[in-house]
Amino acid sequence: KQEVTQIPAALSVPEGENLVLNCSFTDSAIYNLQWFRQDPGKGLTSLLLIQSSQREQTSGRLNASLDKSSGRSTLYIAASQPGDSATYLCAVRPLPGETSGSRLTFGEGTQLTVNP
Amino acid sequence: NAGVTQTPKFQVLKTGQSMTLQCAQDMNHNSMYWYRQDPGMGLRLIYYSASEGTTDKGEVPNGYNVSRLNKREFSLRLESAAPSQTSVYFCASSDHPGLAKSTDTQYFGPGTRLTVL
Repeated sequence: KQEVTQIPAALSVPEGENLVLNCSFTDSAIYNLQWFRQDPGKGLTSLLLIQSSQREQTSGRLNASLDKSSGRSTLYIAASQPGDSATYLCAVRPLPGETSGSRLTFGEGTQLTVNP
Repeated sequence: NAGVTQTPKFQVLKTGQSMTLQCAQDMNHNSMYWYRQDPGMGLRLIYYSASEGTTDKGEVPNGYNVSRLNKREFSLRLESAAPSQTSVYFCASSDHPGLAKSTDTQYFGPGTRLTVL
């Protein structure tokens, strides 16, 4: 059974700092990995999706990397801003064709606070 | 486009009552999902529908039923609510991963906050 772990559970940083969020997964047979953002009381918004054949994806100040063989992904946020404060979740999708289909397995998330 | 919409936003039930959570998407997606989110447990998949006319169990299906009414709508029913079903419920949708130009990204609704007393 796939298990996804995110460390740390919570992180507080001053504005302007570069930071890294970590995600690890136990089964390397994945199709892709996604990073999501969740604001309090809201749904999830997809930030980046990395296919298993890719090493990284970038969007603005965000960069996500994937090392499938070691079961790790990182989300790098450059020059953090108070508006980045949210919970960040990673999720992995198994290979197509398995009985688990399109289901995602989520980590519990890292709650990020960026202080002005 | 409204994206993924869910109704109601909040609901309080008594143990044993039934209710249906509604979900609709206007992105012409083939696949739809129901998740629950609980503190310390993360998001867990309840049921999903890979395409219109099909549904499959996820990680925690007990106590729930689903209906894929058409391509747009996917409902979740609690036949006899229990306090253990107090949670935040999210609906999501995505392209079928086998389609050309599919992003395979899941798009989420705003959630339904359900309390069972």
